[in-house]
Amino acid sequence: NAGVTQTPEFQVLKTGQSMTLQCAQDMNHEYMSWYRQDPGMGLRLIHYSVGAGITDQGEVPNGYNVSRSTTEDFPLRLLSAAPSQTSVYFCATRLAGGYEQYFGPGTRLTVT
Amino acid sequence: AQTVTQSQPEMSVQEAETVTLSCTYDTSENNYYLFWYKQPPSRQMILVIRQEAYKQQNATENRFSVNFQKAAKSFSLKISDSQLGDTAMYFCAFMVFNTGTASKLTFGTGTRLQVTL
Repeated sequence: NAGVTQTPEFQVLKTGQSMTLQCAQDMNHEYMSWYRQDPGMGLRLIHYSVGAGITDQGEVPNGYNVSRSTTEDFPLRLLSAAPSQTSVYFCATRLAGGYEQYFGPGTRLTVT
Repeated sequence: AQTVTQSQPEMSVQEAETVTLSCTYDTSENNYYLFWYKQPPSRQMILVIRQEAYKQQNATENRFSVNFQKAAKSFSLKISDSQLGDTAMYFCAFMVFNTGTASKLTFGTGTRLQVTL
């Protein structure tokens, strides 16, 4: 049981490049979400999903796309990276109606 | 919308002493959860303690306890007998109680705690 996994652990991009941050879970959790963590700002919700085929925007969705084709996977796509997207990204999951969020180890992204 | 405020960006405590981290929140909801998360240098987010708003009794987990004042919308974390391993960023967080799946977690900006010898 791997829990919540994220790849890559670190990534450096040039402005304008695209990439996908991967998140996978093996706990059969319905709810999955993406947060970004910036100094002095805590964690802010980017997008979330309440099940396969259902996604919605969080607090800071601009510049990011998501999809949820399976229960297990919830990738986060940056279509054209900008320096403002330099951050640490966390994926989190939980059961429907549950309270405890399970966090992945995070991805540190730097956009130059 | 819910907001969570942590007014102490940094704190320091000596080993074996007690420290209290502050958190206030704003909501019009009546049923919700409050949490404290710990983020050590490893970056992993670790749930320290949770409090259900409908419970009057303050939650306790070993050396960690909370002072939950619902009317004042205050939720402080007390760490007793501080240990070097408690050095971390601590985040207060809020979630509306919902039997469905759409409830979202709202975080404060964090308090960096340093435990010294």
